[in-house]
Amino acid sequence: GQQLNQSPQSMFIQEGEDVSMNCTSSSIFNTWLWYKQDPGEGPVLLIALYKAGELTSNGRLTAQFGITRKDSFLNISASIPSDVGIYFCAGRETGANNLFFGTGTRLTVIP
Amino acid sequence: GAVVSQHPSWVICKSGTSVKIECRSLDFQATTMFWYRQFPKQSLMLMATSNEGSKATYEQGVEKDKFLINHASLTLSTLTVTSAHPEDSSFYICSAGQGANLPQAFFGQGTRLTVV
Repeated sequence: GQQLNQSPQSMFIQEGEDVSMNCTSSSIFNTWLWYKQDPGEGPVLLIALYKAGELTSNGRLTAQFGITRKDSFLNISASIPSDVGIYFCAGRETGANNLFFGTGTRLTVIP
Repeated sequence: GAVVSQHPSWVICKSGTSVKIECRSLDFQATTMFWYRQFPKQSLMLMATSNEGSKATYEQGVEKDKFLINHASLTLSTLTVTSAHPEDSSFYICSAGQGANLPQAFFGQGTRLTVV
């Protein structure tokens, strides 16, 4: 199945810094989702986006559904140590149930 | 959000034996559940879509006789890894969701399978 291009692959940042990551696809999606996965755990849904141009926040996290419907980005402001983990984007094509996942961004926050 | 529970969290089994993993939707009914496999430091790969009351739909390259899926009720899907081999060792995760917008948005805790 399709795999989304997610970048960067990994990030090392200082506590307090902002983080930005993005995801692109070759096809148009009607849903974009962002997840965080801790080691040995299942992914946890952070933000869900349903409309092109939509900008949604969840605490210090903000995600946007790109206007081309082929991309999305996630921002984390004022990072803290517990933000450490792997972040995955996921997208769904119109009429489909299954999700395509990005390759993941591994975030390390240095205290 | 909706709660999806997976059991067991981890299992170690001998080569040649079968292992069953359960996925339950705790506070909603799910006519469709999804099973993923994740190798270390990699993304999630969809294995199959589990449909309540009917046969599962398997992704290309996934052996349906190897990975048996049963979705006998609206809150339970099971994945059985039959005649397990070391190369089946992996992290298996299920997902489910409510409504048309989020049919598979919520994930279980995952099951770490180690075949020795």
